[in-house]
Amino acid sequence: GQSLEQPSEVTAVEGAIVQINCTYQTSGFYGLSWYQQHDGGAPTFLSYNALDGLEETGRFSSFLSRSDSYGYLLLQELQMKDSASYFCAVPSNTGKLIFGQGTTLQVKP
Amino acid sequence: EPEVTQTPSHQVTQMGQEVILRCVPISNHLYFYWYRQILGQKVEFLVSFYNNEISEKSEIFDDQFSVERPDGSNFTLKIRSTKLEDSAMYFCASSEPQEGETQYFGPGTRLLVL
Repeated sequence: GQSLEQPSEVTAVEGAIVQINCTYQTSGFYGLSWYQQHDGGAPTFLSYNALDGLEETGRFSSFLSRSDSYGYLLLQELQMKDSASYFCAVPSNTGKLIFGQGTTLQVKP
Repeated sequence: EPEVTQTPSHQVTQMGQEVILRCVPISNHLYFYWYRQILGQKVEFLVSFYNNEISEKSEIFDDQFSVERPDGSNFTLKIRSTKLEDSAMYFCASSEPQEGETQYFGPGTRLLVL
């Protein structure tokens, strides 16, 4: 089977840095995606790591270690609007996404 | 910027009734998906669709579910006889060929079965 584990909640203050971890167990691993979902909204693609290392996109970075079956999403210079749920997800070879349970990030002033 | 659209945004129905959820994927995308999210839970894959046929379906996608691409733009999910546990947010998504890891989600249809 396939499973992804991530913390259920994280709290941080505005301007801080927060890291959301994700460990996975999958058959046939192709890469790790991250999606953001605001309350009542649709998941929005943030990043994808197919290879080991760090990918940076503005304030957000994502890291993957295939040997450790582990990745994380790093959010820097937190803003109030970053309060949302963040999901790690693994795509299969047919394209379906298997999502983790999601991490609710609360950014406080 | 092109986006996936879904109608209706909300649907209330009686148990046992049929519902059709509609989606218009991004025009140059060739892979289409339906997911659902029960309130407070994770997003769950239902079905993927490519080249006018189902590529893969989950165990949730039983005989009461069907998908169709009736024309060049619409992609529909039909639930034949709704059950209480079908109450959820249903998301349509689409992606370009070879980029299934980057899926663009529609705003969702919130289905409530009474």
